[in-house]
Amino acid sequence: GAVVSQHPSWVICKSGTSVKIECRSLDFQATTMFWYRQFPKQSLMLMATSNEGSKATYEQGVEKDKFLINHASLTLSTLTVTSAHPEDSSFYICSALARNEQFFGPGTRLTVL
Amino acid sequence: QKEVEQDPGPLSVPEGAIVSLNCTYSNSAFQYFMWYRQYSRKGPELLMYTYSSGNKEDGRFTAQVDKSSKYISLFIRDSQPSDSATYLCAMKAQGAQKLVFGQGTRLTINP
Repeated sequence: GAVVSQHPSWVICKSGTSVKIECRSLDFQATTMFWYRQFPKQSLMLMATSNEGSKATYEQGVEKDKFLINHASLTLSTLTVTSAHPEDSSFYICSALARNEQFFGPGTRLTVL
Repeated sequence: QKEVEQDPGPLSVPEGAIVSLNCTYSNSAFQYFMWYRQYSRKGPELLMYTYSSGNKEDGRFTAQVDKSSKYISLFIRDSQPSDSATYLCAMKAQGAQKLVFGQGTRLTINP
């Protein structure tokens, strides 16, 4: 139990385009999900906390207009990287909260050309 | 000073060795401690979850927490090449949802 999926697993896009990443809890409902960013050989950096039916809470320094988060249902949260630039290239990981534990998705590798 | 300090390594040991991974922390409010394993280009996988000071064992893995010293450890016995991964410590305060991660230690087990 407590499986989290992400789609797509990897994506390549041109600079200036927008990319949407989906995070789904497959066998449980999650009112709270988290979005992280991870650069090579570095730890996870929390970007925002996503709560179903309400606005996401962003960490300091994360642009909310650039990283749009929508948590429209108890099993789905989406992260949209708007007007992506090469510096947005990274590994994006979501997690879902269940039984006071975070269960992580497999991650999405974004490359912006 | 970071809230959680973890030596990034890399750490390389022969197969069968006992591995010791450690983290220190500065925030005495942290009450829950976790160890995650992350394979390259994959999401973190929860290995151990502890609350109280002392030891918790699960198969070849032992998690140790010393709240008085603000120090946690993960021991891996009879290490296998399949244990090669990055190990991340994480912790959170009572009532908190957000985790604070260490930098992660890259471990390689050589056959």
